[in-house]
Amino acid sequence: ETGVTQTPRHLVMGMTNKKSLKCEQHLGHNAMYWYKQSAKKPLELMFVYSLEERVENNSVPSRFSPECPNSSHLFLHLHTLQPEDSALYLCASSQLQSSGNTIYFGEGSWLTVV
Amino acid sequence: DAKTTQPTSMDCAEGRAANLPCNHSTISGNEYVYWYRQIHSQGPQYIIHGLKNNETNEMASLIITEDRKSSTLILPHATLRDTAVYYCIRRSGGSNYKLTFGKGTLLTVNP
Repeated sequence: ETGVTQTPRHLVMGMTNKKSLKCEQHLGHNAMYWYKQSAKKPLELMFVYSLEERVENNSVPSRFSPECPNSSHLFLHLHTLQPEDSALYLCASSQLQSSGNTIYFGEGSWLTVV
Repeated sequence: DAKTTQPTSMDCAEGRAANLPCNHSTISGNEYVYWYRQIHSQGPQYIIHGLKNNETNEMASLIITEDRKSSTLILPHATLRDTAVYYCIRRSGGSNYKLTFGKGTLLTVNP
């Protein structure tokens, strides 16, 4: 238990579907992240929210739409995805501060696009 | 991206200490050394981090050389559940939110 909870753990969706991934952190952190991990590739940073404001968008296609309604919750809205978007999507959180800034990850949501 | 160099894979016998090396010869003075591991199909798990001094927690010990160009993660009594990919990452603190994962070391603990 890392204090970062992701739901659902597994999701299968068609290319015309709209779905959302949800993340909740119970650590009192002020920053939240979405990462993507494709098969046999390093983790890729997708989005960063600091104090509920998006501060990083790493050239992610618009079919991925993040939402951060408050400091504890983060969503990733998915729309008209492609099969190559199938991957493990990881949510993370951290407390931005001068010493360290350890990032804690959730267990991830396995997404399969068919 | 800030780079580290790790062996691709290592083996360790169950119950023995696992010593995982990492080279970070160009590390800056304000950069920490972080270690994470990822067990198959799970999210990365934070293990330990340090700046200059050696660190120890309930999971592992981190030994950083005096010149800070390399470090070693030590799992004192490896178990089968420690089989995972271990990532050594260098990053600065403060408002820096970048965490760049490389390929890591696949540690296999054998019975």
